[in-house]
Amino acid sequence: DGGITQSPKYLFRKEGQNVTLSCEQNLNHDAMYWYRQDPGQGLRLIYYSQIVNDFQKGDIAEGYSVSREKKESFPLTVTSAQKNPTAFYLCASSNQVGYEQYFGPGTRLTVT
Amino acid sequence: GENVEQHPSTLSVQEGDSAVIKCTYSDSASNYFPWYKQELGKGPQLIIDIRSNVGEKKDQRIAVTLNKTAKHFSLHITETQPEDSAVYFCAASVSGDSWGKLQFGAGTQVVVTP
Repeated sequence: DGGITQSPKYLFRKEGQNVTLSCEQNLNHDAMYWYRQDPGQGLRLIYYSQIVNDFQKGDIAEGYSVSREKKESFPLTVTSAQKNPTAFYLCASSNQVGYEQYFGPGTRLTVT
Repeated sequence: GENVEQHPSTLSVQEGDSAVIKCTYSDSASNYFPWYKQELGKGPQLIIDIRSNVGEKKDQRIAVTLNKTAKHFSLHITETQPEDSAVYFCAASVSGDSWGKLQFGAGTQVVVTP
C-alpha cells in the first residue's frame, strides 16, 4: 500500500514540553510539507522540504522545527516556544515535477 | 503573496441538487488550482485539479472551471449525494515556485440533506 502515514492520531502533552509528530511516505515523493489546521480555517504551511537535508520555513514556522534525514521521513517538533500548539497537524508530499499534494490522515495535538 | 478567498463558508443542498463553490485568487501568475475534500477527522483528499492552460475539467459528477481574466475558479458538484457532505478547500499555487507551494482558501462546509 502506498501512502502517507502519520502517528499518533491523537497526542496529549503538558504545556512546556516539546513533542515530535511523525510523518512517513512510501510514494517516493521528493517534496514534503507540514500544515497546521485550526477549527473553521484553511491549512497554513509550517515547513516544507524538497530534498533530503534541506527544508524551508513556511508561513507560520515560529515555535516549530523539522528535519529531513531520509527521503521518506519528515518529522515535526512542536516546541515549548509555540504559543498555541493545540491544532490538527497535516503532513503532505508531492512529486517535484507536478504539483499534486497528497495528505496523510493527520495528528490532533492537544496541549494543556 | 497569494491570497485565496472562498465562498460560501457553508452550503446546504437537497440531495440531487447541484452545489457550486467559488474561489478567487490574487496572483495572476498562479497556474495550478486543486480542490480538496476533507471528511471529519481525516486528511484532505485531492478530488480534482486544473491548470491555467485549460478552462474546464470534468470528472463524473465533479467539474472545475477557471476564469484567468477574472482570477476565479469554481467547483461544481451535480446530483449531490449524502456522501458528498464534507468540507471542501480550494487552493492556488504560489507563482514562480518550483516546489508547488499551495495557498488554501478557508473552506466550505457542504451539507447534503436526503
